[in-house]
Amino acid sequence: SQQGEEDPQALSIQEGENATMNCSYKTSINNLQWYRQNSGRGLVHLILIRSNEREKHSGRLRVTLDTSKKSSSLLITASRAADTASYFCATALTGANSKLTFGKGITLSVRP
Amino acid sequence: DAGITQSPRHKVTETGTPVTLRCHQTENHRYMYWYRQDPGHGLRLIHYSYGVKDTDKGEVSDGYSVSRSKTEDFLLTLESATSSQTSVYFCAISGMRGGVQDTQYFGPGTRLTVL
Repeated sequence: SQQGEEDPQALSIQEGENATMNCSYKTSINNLQWYRQNSGRGLVHLILIRSNEREKHSGRLRVTLDTSKKSSSLLITASRAADTASYFCATALTGANSKLTFGKGITLSVRP
Repeated sequence: DAGITQSPRHKVTETGTPVTLRCHQTENHRYMYWYRQDPGHGLRLIHYSYGVKDTDKGEVSDGYSVSRSKTEDFLLTLESATSSQTSVYFCAISGMRGGVQDTQYFGPGTRLTVL
């Protein structure tokens, strides 16, 4: 079963609107990461939030983490057509050699 | 972009033939990974390495083997390719921070088609 599951699977919004994507996971984590993938390209790291953090910002991105609910959200404010991509959450368990487990991704379409 | 390359970028092969994909990094990172990406399945880990000659299996390791004889290279081998191994393969690297793996940096991917 997936450790990280994103919701919704697909999201279509108008340019300028905010996009909110959610991720839920099952077991305790060390950190949670969000990645973006443009069509035909490799994944690009966006932001990492550790288990003792509740919120982080990076430019137009805001990530929250609620360890009691085992969930995270990624908010993209004032979206642009260039934000059109797939977004993945990934969870890292504790332990030096632990692996990242990726969700299946959210397809975001931003209409100009 | 992180210094990570994959070769070849595209390959078409026939069922039953051996295939080796190469991942090369110039970042001196400790960890290297091979993933496959398929529609409806997201990104799945095949094998990973936490040091030279230290490797471990991921969730979809059957039919794949890996080798890491030096820090910068991580090879993925399909001993006898099957059509179910048609996929896009990504290599990733990461370092350590605070005793835990840091963010992963991905290569551009290899599109493999097995006929």
